[in-house]
Amino acid sequence: DADVTQTPRNRITKTGKRIMLECSQTKGHDRMYWYRQDPGLGLRLIYYSFDVKDINKGEISDGYSVSRQAQAKFSLSLESAIPNQTALYFCATLNRGSSPQHFGDGTRLSIL
Amino acid sequence: AQTVTQSQPEMSVQEAETVTLSCTYDTSESNYYLFWYKQPPSRQMILVIRQEAYKQQNATENRFSVNFQKAAKSFSLKISDSQLGDTAMYFCAFMSGITGANSKLTFGKGITLSVRP
Repeated sequence: DADVTQTPRNRITKTGKRIMLECSQTKGHDRMYWYRQDPGLGLRLIYYSFDVKDINKGEISDGYSVSRQAQAKFSLSLESAIPNQTALYFCATLNRGSSPQHFGDGTRLSIL
Repeated sequence: AQTVTQSQPEMSVQEAETVTLSCTYDTSESNYYLFWYKQPPSRQMILVIRQEAYKQQNATENRFSVNFQKAAKSFSLKISDSQLGDTAMYFCAFMSGITGANSKLTFGKGITLSVRP
């Protein structure tokens, strides 16, 4: 079983819809991250969390929200999806005091 | 803020030959971490190699090695004996620390490497 699981793997939806991407981990890591990958731009940080009560905005948080439901679960929401949020989304985890970050397999999101 | 620059968008190499992927970064930190991640068509993000800035010795993992030049802020990846399975996008990434907000990764834009049979 994967250590960092993202669901769904792929999603196609329409403009204006609310979308939730989920991430769960079995690694016991306290830190979790959401990144977005766009062609030619690399990965950029959306939000990150150090524990259930500690959530921080990243470089491109506008239009997104997150929820850390438990140490093992970190969800990313798009309240009203727009086409320029079409991208590949990655969740990652990190254990305190160590490196590197461990990535899930990504969610490809297409907004029509 | 830190920046990571990968100036070559694409490279191609013949199977069994050696190729070097370039990466430069900008930071005012004295200690930090550098990584190369591989993203094959399956889109997984796979760690290739990591380097801790306080270590002077260049990291090596089998056919993969780095040339870490701290003063020049350069972190290139050398792939020896290239294999078809090395075909992928490669990302250089920087992390200023492993605690608190320093644990965020900053990525370069990536380079697409094609290995020709």
